[in-house]
Amino acid sequence: DAKTTQPNSMESNEEEPVHLPCNHSTISGTDYIHWYRQLPSQGPEYVIHGLTSNVNNRMASLAIAEDRKSSTLILHRATLRDAAVYYCILRDVGNSGGGADGLTFGKGTHLIIQP
Amino acid sequence: DAGVIQSPRHEVTEMGQEVTLRCKPISGHNSLFWYRQTMMRGLELLIYFNNNVPIDDSGMPEDRFSAKMPNASFSTLKIQPSEPRDSAVYFCASSLRYYSNQPQHFGDGTRLSIL
Repeated sequence: DAKTTQPNSMESNEEEPVHLPCNHSTISGTDYIHWYRQLPSQGPEYVIHGLTSNVNNRMASLAIAEDRKSSTLILHRATLRDAAVYYCILRDVGNSGGGADGLTFGKGTHLIIQP
Repeated sequence: DAGVIQSPRHEVTEMGQEVTLRCKPISGHNSLFWYRQTMMRGLELLIYFNNNVPIDDSGMPEDRFSAKMPNASFSTLKIQPSEPRDSAVYFCASSLRYYSNQPQHFGDGTRLSIL
């Protein structure tokens, strides 16, 4: 699987936007970019995913660079509840044969929200 | 909707004992995954099933670990005999099989302590 690189930690203030970067310079054409987060004492939670175009959902936005070698998860207005570890994961749909496969988690970014 | 249900939430047992972790996936999901999380190694995929069939168990650390999925609504992860280094949080996740982009839904995990 192609590898991702994320900062170990980031800090932001409550009610401000947060931009979480992810580098994936070896991404292939069939890799989708997925984001999950893990709140304290909980299992990981799906946030968003995309291929080439920017994506929005109720939780966040995903901005993907034109060359796809990096992406940014955007939390538009952070709350204390957004404090979590955020994981950027590449998922290859090209050779999966239509079957689901496991996620490869890195160390993620520990997001700290200050009140 | 009920999410992925894991039991027990906490397990404390002595070295050498058999440990059985249980998982009920989301109804209608046909892929099931077992992960383990430790401070040292982070989140690791142990094994996953598609349509109750084990597809990839290369993450299972040793022969002491075994997993079964006798039907679409139940899976077990068994450790026999258990060792202190097996202490970790074990997560079960489920998803729809047909496209790898389907999000995985995680349970709240079982915190296992082997004394």
